Amino acid sequence: AQSVTQLDSHVSVSEGTPVLLRCNYSSSYSPSLFWYVQHPNKGLQLLLKYTSAATLVKGINGFEAEFKKSETSFHLTKPSAHMSDAAEYFCVLFASGGSYIPTFGRGTSLIVHP
Amino acid sequence: KAGVTQTPRYLIKTRGQQVTLSCSPISGHRSVSWYQQTPGQGLQFLFEYFSETQRNKGNFPGRFSGRQFSNSRSEMNVSTLELGDSALYLCASTTTPGVVTDTQYFGPGTRLTVL
Repeated sequence: AQSVTQLDSHVSVSEGTPVLLRCNYSSSYSPSLFWYVQHPNKGLQLLLKYTSAATLVKGINGFEAEFKKSETSFHLTKPSAHMSDAAEYFCVLFASGGSYIPTFGRGTSLIVHP
Repeated sequence: KAGVTQTPRYLIKTRGQQVTLSCSPISGHRSVSWYQQTPGQGLQFLFEYFSETQRNKGNFPGRFSGRQFSNSRSEMNVSTLELGDSALYLCASTTTPGVVTDTQYFGPGTRLTVL
């Protein structure tokens, strides 16, 4: 069985301060991990993905994430939050060796204060 | 290139009715997946289609079904609607199923409300 835990349901930051959204995973197979963002009334947009290449992954809009196998984590960071970053963020796990059915975290709502 | 389109965007139905939702993938994409998003259960995988064949299915009752046409467009159907079926239904397309290096592109979703 595989699972994804997003450790915070809400994260609140001030504009210009760093962002950290935490994601832990559990998988019996080699994982591929994704971060998606969802703005209100919109579909999901891919921010970045880890698929067993470099463990530090850079994505769009200044986001990056580091895959840490020893900690089974894939936390999303951004050095400086922007008001437009306010949205829902989802960590998603695909496990190779399995059926490629994705497992979604419950989401983290990022609130950015001016 | 046009993105994934879903129709209709909003739908209101009553319990016991059935509903059909449509998804047109990005041109050239042959794999279409469907997801249900609710506040209580989050995002859950419904099923995936490739070349008109269902490849994978999530843990949903048989009231939920889908199909894919030769032009890769897909429909999902929910029969005998229940209040709990109220959700945002998302469709995603990709070029090759089961290849995680291929990005899934999501549509804006269909908001279904069951009264």
